Amino acid sequence: DQQVKQNSPSLSVQEGRISILNCDYTNSMFDYFLWYKKYPAEGPTFLISISSIKDKNEDGRFTVFLNKSAKHLSLHIVPSQPGDSAVYFCAASEDAGGTSYGKLTFGQGTILTVHP
Amino acid sequence: NAGVTQTPKFQVLKTGQSMTLQCAQDMNHEYMSWYRQDPGMGLRLIHYSVGAGITDQGEVPNGYNVSRSTTEDFPLRLLSAAPSQTSVYFCASSLGLFETQYFGPGTRLLVL
Repeated sequence: DQQVKQNSPSLSVQEGRISILNCDYTNSMFDYFLWYKKYPAEGPTFLISISSIKDKNEDGRFTVFLNKSAKHLSLHIVPSQPGDSAVYFCAASEDAGGTSYGKLTFGQGTILTVHP
Repeated sequence: NAGVTQTPKFQVLKTGQSMTLQCAQDMNHEYMSWYRQDPGMGLRLIHYSVGAGITDQGEVPNGYNVSRSTTEDFPLRLLSAAPSQTSVYFCASSLGLFETQYFGPGTRLLVL
């Protein structure tokens, strides 16, 4: 059972436009959400995170929105740049009484291509 | 800081062979973990450690062993490789609970 789902395997956008990557989750115990970016032949790198007590977190061109009632989060990149072309993974974690170590459950990833 | 390093970068094994994937970090992180990435599956947690001498299982631990004798190193052992273990393996570390996890560059493993 996939607890974190990214239903769009790929997304193609024009440089300068907005990229919106979506992620859905089923486990209501998840309370911390992250986005990672991965280039080919490299490990994932942390991009941005959001706690369940917030509904928005912004960092430069990147904004993550969380809708807890819909169990949905999205990553907005504005404006998109060709260097943003990568695989984007959303991940979720539950506190589990402080014993979970922040174990991450990842989505399948979305390949973003930004065309010049 | 080298960050998180993994060796080898690529390995081919025959079914039944054993090997150890190495992972080291120089950031004095307490938390380390191993993930595997398969097409269409995202990354799945294999084993993790919250400190030297302490390890626990993740989502897909079968066929893998780990140990954590030092803070810096967290090797992953395949005792008898199977084709189902063909994957890309990532090691990660973080300073503490819910801190950002830093990933190594990965080891691509092919089991024939």
